[in-house]
Amino acid sequence: NAGVTQTPKFQVLKTGQSMTLQCAQDMNHEYMSWYRQDPGMGLRLIHYSVGAGITDQGEVPNGYNVSRSTTEDFPLRLLSAAPSQTSVYFCASSYEGQGYEQYFGPGTRLTVT
Amino acid sequence: GENVEQHPSTLSVQEGDSAVIKCTYSDSASNYFPWYKQELGKRPQLIIDIRSNVGEKKDQRIAVTLNKTAKHFSLHITETQPEDSAVYFCAARWTGTASKLTFGTGTRLQVTL
Repeated sequence: NAGVTQTPKFQVLKTGQSMTLQCAQDMNHEYMSWYRQDPGMGLRLIHYSVGAGITDQGEVPNGYNVSRSTTEDFPLRLLSAAPSQTSVYFCASSYEGQGYEQYFGPGTRLTVT
Repeated sequence: GENVEQHPSTLSVQEGDSAVIKCTYSDSASNYFPWYKQELGKRPQLIIDIRSNVGEKKDQRIAVTLNKTAKHFSLHITETQPEDSAVYFCAARWTGTASKLTFGTGTRLQVTL
């Protein structure tokens, strides 16, 4: 199993550009989440999904969209990038049978200039 | 929503000494408390977790204690080694929301020789 994969690893955007961060998992996990990590602020939940077709907002959802058309994929879309969205983004998946332990992807480092 | 506070933000110990990191949470209905270790440039990885029906859990040199009445939980690392140097995050899961974790702001642990 590849586990949780994320692409790209690094990305530089100009203010106002849009892009999609990709996340996929091959463990058939029902739950998937997106977090952003900023220095001194830990990880903050952006959006999450409890299954295909079901998504909900986390703590910091503004400026981001998600969809979950399949169990495997959970892309995060930045609609109009802003410098405040410069961060490291982590995708994670979990399932009930493992006590909901979150498995994290390797992260995407995004810089918005 | 849930709020998690973590202290200290940095901790320096000598090799062989013990390290203790403390977290408090606000939602008395939270029922799952994981601890993650993150090495520089890497993804967070689960090192130990505890559920609200247990007061203490040990795994070799690491242990976690939970005081539900006071709403705080702690990570204890004994006989620290240089490879324990990393950032440690506590988290709490909102009741009824399997994939929603709220993280503390992290503790940078430095183990010196």
